[in-house]
Amino acid sequence: DTEVTQTPKHLVMGMTNKKSLKCEQHMGHRAMYWYKQKAKKPPELMFVYSYEKLSINESVPSRFSPECPNSSLLNLHLHALQPEDSALYLCASSQLATWEEQYFGPGTRLTVT
Amino acid sequence: GQQLNQSPQSMFIQEGEDVSMNCTSSSIFNTWLWYKQDPGEGPVLLIALYKAGELTSNGRLTAQFGITRKDSFLNISASIPSDVGIYFCAGQLLETSGSRLTFGEGTQLTVNP
Repeated sequence: DTEVTQTPKHLVMGMTNKKSLKCEQHMGHRAMYWYKQKAKKPPELMFVYSYEKLSINESVPSRFSPECPNSSLLNLHLHALQPEDSALYLCASSQLATWEEQYFGPGTRLTVT
Repeated sequence: GQQLNQSPQSMFIQEGEDVSMNCTSSSIFNTWLWYKQDPGEGPVLLIALYKAGELTSNGRLTAQFGITRKDSFLNISASIPSDVGIYFCAGQLLETSGSRLTFGEGTQLTVNP
């Protein structure tokens, strides 16, 4: 099983709202990732959690706040977003092993109005 | 930073034709990954390559890890309409903080029945 699940599938929020995106994997992977993807562009890395600790933050604005409650769950808390933050947000996970493969979830389509 | 050149940017082919796309880099990677992405969905891992010179098949897909570790190609034989989508190559470096993917810009494939 190589499934990463994400909820919700779609989200529309105003610029003053607070919302959260959720990601879950049950493959025993020890690294989890958040990516942002604009239309017809490759995914852009935002955050990496390794062994439940934040290991990489690609200079993401503080209006995006990641959280890793346990090894299977990853959240992305959103607050005071801008319309240009509208995008597909992807979660991924990997084993942190020599033969390393990243598996992506289906994404959350976020629209900021 | 590292950059991947993926070509072609787009392809329009007839059903049954073979397809070839490739990625080149100025830097060495540990692993090459090929993903397919359908509209509104997350990237799906097609093939992972771990050793220089490795040639791997997955059904009608064949991919190779270049000898120099700086390039990779993906071939699709006897294309069918469901092959439509965007194909991304990704070079991977495994770090203690997580694996870092560098994506190509993608190849948009259209298959005419």
